[in-house]
Amino acid sequence: KQEVTQIPAALSVPEGENLVLNCSFTDSAIYNLQWFRQDPGKGLTSLLLIQSSQREQTSGRLNASLDKSSGRSTLYIAASQPGDSATYLCAVEIGAGANNLFFGTGTRLTVIP
Amino acid sequence: NAGVTQTPKFQVLKTGQSMTLQCAQDMNHEYMSWYRQDPGMGLRLIHYSVGAGITDQGEVPNGYNVSRSTTEDFPLRLLSAAPSQTSVYFCASTPQGLGGLGEQYFGPGTRLTVT
Repeated sequence: KQEVTQIPAALSVPEGENLVLNCSFTDSAIYNLQWFRQDPGKGLTSLLLIQSSQREQTSGRLNASLDKSSGRSTLYIAASQPGDSATYLCAVEIGAGANNLFFGTGTRLTVIP
Repeated sequence: NAGVTQTPKFQVLKTGQSMTLQCAQDMNHEYMSWYRQDPGMGLRLIHYSVGAGITDQGEVPNGYNVSRSTTEDFPLRLLSAAPSQTSVYFCASTPQGLGGLGEQYFGPGTRLTVT
């Protein structure tokens, strides 16, 4: 079974700092990897989806990279803001279908003004 | 578009009671899924559907039933609530992507407490 790990579980940074969130997975034969944001008491919002043939995706201040051979993905957030405070989750799809989608437990990010 | 909607937002049940969690989407997505989110365990798949009339079990299906009579709706039924089913429940939908699922869209969740 695919194991998805996100370390650290929590992270605090001062406003304006650039930061990297990590996601590692055990099975490198993946279809895609997706990063989500979850605000307290809310659902998940998709941030970036990286197909297996891609190395990275960018959206505004966010950049996600994928290295299948090492089983790792990183989410880079530039110039962090207090509004970026949330839990960030990654999910890996190892085969077509919802039963092949595995989530990490997330990194809770706090950006201190 | 309203996206994915879920009702109710909060629910308290007594052990043994049954109820249905509603989920609807207006994006004409074929795939729909139900997850539960528990502290320290991440999201776990309960049931999913690849289209109207087709459902299948996920990782933790026991104690739950689903049906998919239309593309838009995917209700989750708790047959006889147990305290172990206290959790936050999320419904998600996704279009079929290339070589796998496309981007997942999540509802706001239902927070269920079973006493």
